[in-house]
Amino acid sequence: AQKVTQAQTEISVVEKEDVTLDCVYETRDTTYYLFWYKQPPSGELVFLIRRNSFDEQNEISGRYSWNFQKSTSSFNFTITASQVVDSAVYFCALRGTNTGNQFYFGTGTSLTVIP
Amino acid sequence: DVKVTQSSRYLVKRTGEKVFLECVQDMDHENMFWYRQDPGLGLRLIYFSYDVKMKEKGDIPEGYSVSREKKERFSLILESASTNQTSMYLCASSLDHTQYFGPGTRLTVL
Repeated sequence: AQKVTQAQTEISVVEKEDVTLDCVYETRDTTYYLFWYKQPPSGELVFLIRRNSFDEQNEISGRYSWNFQKSTSSFNFTITASQVVDSAVYFCALRGTNTGNQFYFGTGTSLTVIP
Repeated sequence: DVKVTQSSRYLVKRTGEKVFLECVQDMDHENMFWYRQDPGLGLRLIYFSYDVKMKEKGDIPEGYSVSREKKERFSLILESASTNQTSMYLCASSLDHTQYFGPGTRLTVL
């Protein structure tokens, strides 16, 4: 079974605080891909990052960083020094390879950054 | 830059009408997808296509059909719209392992 769980439904932080969005996944595939997308109020899902299952290196892009840990089946996303423009719904997604090419999305975490 | 466009951002239709939602991508992608997004339910896959004239059912195909006559265009059809099909509809395309999304169509069925 393929499944993505984002346990945090809504998070509010004050501007400049750091915030971590959690993502836990389940898959039996040995090769798979993990993603984060951002959905601002305008509605369009914006691709942020893709991670391959065989590459556990953490990644940093500006104020964004991602922590991939296979041992705990987690792919967490941290925003450092949050800004009001970070307010959005964030989705974590999984794509397997042995069980079809479908994406499995979590239910999303709504982040509000308060000025 | 990948560009996925959808024919309308907002659409209002009446119960029983036939509704066409169009999606076009300009990157020669093989794969295209239609999702609907509802509060608390996340994104649910309706249909997808791996090639021209090819279609596969997703998780919630009931009440929908699709058409892919050309590689760049993937249409979602509501044969007889019902109020429970009021939703945000998102189209996506992919070539490798990443899906790229259009801006979405917010459909209201009265």
